[in-house]
Amino acid sequence: EDQVTQSPEALRLQEGESSSLNCSYTVSGLRGLFWYRQDPGKGPEFLFTLYSAGEEKEKERLKATLTKKESFLHITAPKPEDSATYLCAAGNAGNMLTFGGGTRLMVKP
Amino acid sequence: DVKVTQSSRYLVKRTGEKVFLECVQDMDHENMFWYRQDPGLGLRLIYFSYDVKMKEKGDIPEGYSVSREKKERFSLILESASTNQTSMYLCASRSSGSGNTIYFGEGSWLTVV
Repeated sequence: EDQVTQSPEALRLQEGESSSLNCSYTVSGLRGLFWYRQDPGKGPEFLFTLYSAGEEKEKERLKATLTKKESFLHITAPKPEDSATYLCAAGNAGNMLTFGGGTRLMVKP
Repeated sequence: DVKVTQSSRYLVKRTGEKVFLECVQDMDHENMFWYRQDPGLGLRLIYFSYDVKMKEKGDIPEGYSVSREKKERFSLILESASTNQTSMYLCASRSSGSGNTIYFGEGSWLTVV
């Protein structure tokens, strides 16, 4: 059975304090590892897709990386506006997604 | 930009009512999805559709049905709403093909009283 686990469940950072969010996955034939940002009361907003181990993608203060077992979302010098829940999802060989439970990030000024 | 539009952001319905949640996408995507999201349970797939008039059950289809008469529109139907269907409902779409990105709408908050 496909499984995606995100850690930590919640993370509190001071503004400017860099950190990483983890997404561990077990899927049959990975067909993409997806990161989303979700603000309270809104739908998930797409951030990145990674397809193969070693791949990296960046957007502003965020960088996503992928290994054969996990993905990391690195946040460099975060700002309060980066506060949100970050979701990862893994696509399998049948092209179905399994979502993790999310990491709720709070960045204090 | 991909646009997935859910017609109702907030609804309050009574137990036993028939509820329609409408979703439209403007990117000519073949695949469309309905999820529900609950605290502590994450995102759960209710139904999906690979193409017009096609539908497949997801992980939690009980109490729901769907309709896809046109490519851009995917409707979720609660035949007889119950309080345990109070939730945030998310519509999503994706072009066909392996590994393509799913794009979500803004969500519909449904409260059943």
